Amino acid sequence: AQSVTQPDIHITVSEGASLELRCNYSYGATPYLFWYVQSPGQGLQLLLKYFSGDTLVQGIKGFEAEFKRSQSSFNLRKPSVHWSDAAEYFCAVGAWYGGSQGNLIFGKGTKLSVKP
Amino acid sequence: DTGVSQDPRHKITKRGQNVTFRCDPISEHNRLYWYRQTLGQGPEFLTYFQNEAQLEKSRLLSDRFSAERPKGSFSTLEIQRTEQGDSAMYLCASSLEFEQETQYFGPGTRLLVL
Repeated sequence: AQSVTQPDIHITVSEGASLELRCNYSYGATPYLFWYVQSPGQGLQLLLKYFSGDTLVQGIKGFEAEFKRSQSSFNLRKPSVHWSDAAEYFCAVGAWYGGSQGNLIFGKGTKLSVKP
Repeated sequence: DTGVSQDPRHKITKRGQNVTFRCDPISEHNRLYWYRQTLGQGPEFLTYFQNEAQLEKSRLLSDRFSAERPKGSFSTLEIQRTEQGDSAMYLCASSLEFEQETQYFGPGTRLLVL
């Protein structure tokens, strides 16, 4: 069955420090992968997505992610964190039904806190 | 592009009451998804529509839940005889069906069942 694991429930980094959030997926074929961010009490905002091609994808707000098939990973990175990045981050994989993409399967999320 | 909108944003109800939520997708999007998110968890899929047809339903969607998208535009999610376990954030997302489909989420409706 398809699944997504985000091993870190909560991460705290200092403002200006680099960030890496881990995501591992379980999927039989080439996955479609996404990172979303959620501020408290809000919906999810798309940060970036991977469908095919270049395994390093750029997103909004200075985020990037790298797809590594051999490690079944899609880790999210940012070189310098800003206080406004404090939020919860969700990794997701697109499920497939009969040759057509359907719903997303999400990890449990990683809460990011930023120290001044 | 006004984005996905949901109404209401918050709902408090008593156990046993019925509630209905509305989702308005991005106008040209033909797919609409409902997810439920409980505290400390990622969103979990409930059901989705392609145009007006409901194509998939999760096992999470008990008999007390029903969703409609009568004209292929907005959708409603109704919960009958609410239980305290229904307390959650209900998220709606829409997308345009094609090979590299991307879902865009609304702000959610937070339900509290007392």
